[in-house]
Amino acid sequence: GQNIDQPTEMTATEGAIVQINCTYQTSGFNGLFWYQQHAGEAPTFLSYNVLDGLEEKGRFSSFLSRSKGYSYLLLKELQMKDSASYLCVSSGNTGKLIFGQGTTLQVKP
Amino acid sequence: EAGVTQFPSHSVIEKGQTVTLRCDPISGHDNLYWYRRVMGKEIKFLLHFVKESKQDESGMPNNRFLAERTGGTYSTLKVQPAELEDSGVYFCASSHSYEQYFGPGTRLTVT
Repeated sequence: GQNIDQPTEMTATEGAIVQINCTYQTSGFNGLFWYQQHAGEAPTFLSYNVLDGLEEKGRFSSFLSRSKGYSYLLLKELQMKDSASYLCVSSGNTGKLIFGQGTTLQVKP
Repeated sequence: EAGVTQFPSHSVIEKGQTVTLRCDPISGHDNLYWYRRVMGKEIKFLLHFVKESKQDESGMPNNRFLAERTGGTYSTLKVQPAELEDSGVYFCASSHSYEQYFGPGTRLTVT
C-alpha cells in the first residue's frame, strides 16, 4: 500500500530550529520530496532526496533513510514567513507523486 | 519564464453541470500531471501525460472525468456531470525531469 505519515501541526519560535518528521511506505519508491505550501497558493519545491543522507540547501536541510522509510525536513533560523504547510511527498517510478497530509507550521515571534 | 497557469481560479457550478479546467504547463515541459485535494484530505494524483499521451491515469476517480492534452501543450480536465464530492482544489503540475512545478490550482465548488 501507499502511506505517508507526518505530524498535523507544529509550533516554533522565530530564530529557532524545527524538525518535521515523515515516515512512508510506498511501492516503486523513486525519491522523497519536500514541498512548501502557503495558504491558497501552489506547492513549491524545497528538496529532493533519492539517496540516503542529508541534503543541505541554505536554511533548509532534508534527510532520508530508505531502509527505515524515514525522512525529515530541518528548518534553521526560523522566520515568520516560514509559517506554511510542509508536504512530505514520495515519488513513484512513473513520476507520480504521493502526498502526505502536510504539517502546518506556525512560527511565533 | 512563466510558471504553470490554471484557469479558472475558482468555479462554482450546480450538481449535474459540466466544468472544464485548463492547465498551461511551463513551455518545453513534456510531463504534465493533474492532482486534486478534497477538503481535509491530502493531495492525490489523478493522471500523468507525457506529451499528448496518457502515461498513467490510475488516479482518475471514474468515467465522469476526462483529461486531454491535444498537441502536447495545454491540457483540459472535464468533469461531466459534476457531483458534490467533486468539490476541491485541482492542481496541475509540469516537469522536465524530477522536479514538478505546480500551478495555483482551480477551486471547484459543486452545489
